[in-house]
Amino acid sequence: AQSVTQPDIHITVSEGASLELRCNYSYGATPYLFWYVQSPGQGLQLLLKYFSGDTLVQGIKGFEAEFKRSQSSFNLRKPSVHWSDAAEYFCAVGGASGTYKYIFGTGTRLKVLA
Amino acid sequence: NAGVTQTPKFQVLKTGQSMTLQCAQDMNHEYMSWYRQDPGMGLRLIHYSVGAGITDQGEVPNGYNVSRSTTEDFPLRLLSAAPSQTSVYFCASSYSQGAYGYTFGSGTRLTVV
Repeated sequence: AQSVTQPDIHITVSEGASLELRCNYSYGATPYLFWYVQSPGQGLQLLLKYFSGDTLVQGIKGFEAEFKRSQSSFNLRKPSVHWSDAAEYFCAVGGASGTYKYIFGTGTRLKVLA
Repeated sequence: NAGVTQTPKFQVLKTGQSMTLQCAQDMNHEYMSWYRQDPGMGLRLIHYSVGAGITDQGEVPNGYNVSRSTTEDFPLRLLSAAPSQTSVYFCASSYSQGAYGYTFGSGTRLTVV
């Protein structure tokens, strides 16, 4: 069965600290992988995506993610977190093999301490 | 500004009432979808469309209808609102299958009392 797991419901980091948000997936083929960010009361915004090539992808707002096929993971990282990064982050997979359907994880809520 | 526009932003319904959530995009995207977001459950797909005149069910379609008469518009109809449909609803669109990711609307917060 296709699924996405974000094992951390909440994460708290201090401003300036590094961040890693975990995402594991189960998918029949090599999937397209995405990270989205949702600020309070807003829709989701695409941070970055992977579908082929270099397994380390760069996104907006200084985020990056690394695709590790052997671990079925697509973890999101940022070297130095800013207070404005406080939001909820969603990992999503899908879109491969001619399907339009995407599967979203349940999200990780990030809190940033000043 | 190009994007996905959802109306209304907030709505309160009484149990049994019907209503339509509007969604429009001006990016000529083929693919449009409706999700509902509930705490701790992420986003769940309600219905989706791969082009005008073509719709299909997602993960949680019961109690909802959709149609796609034009490329731009993809309204979601609640036939007889129930408290279980209290949620935040997002419309999203994509240029094509797979690699492009979604553009999301800003959501409709619906409360059914």
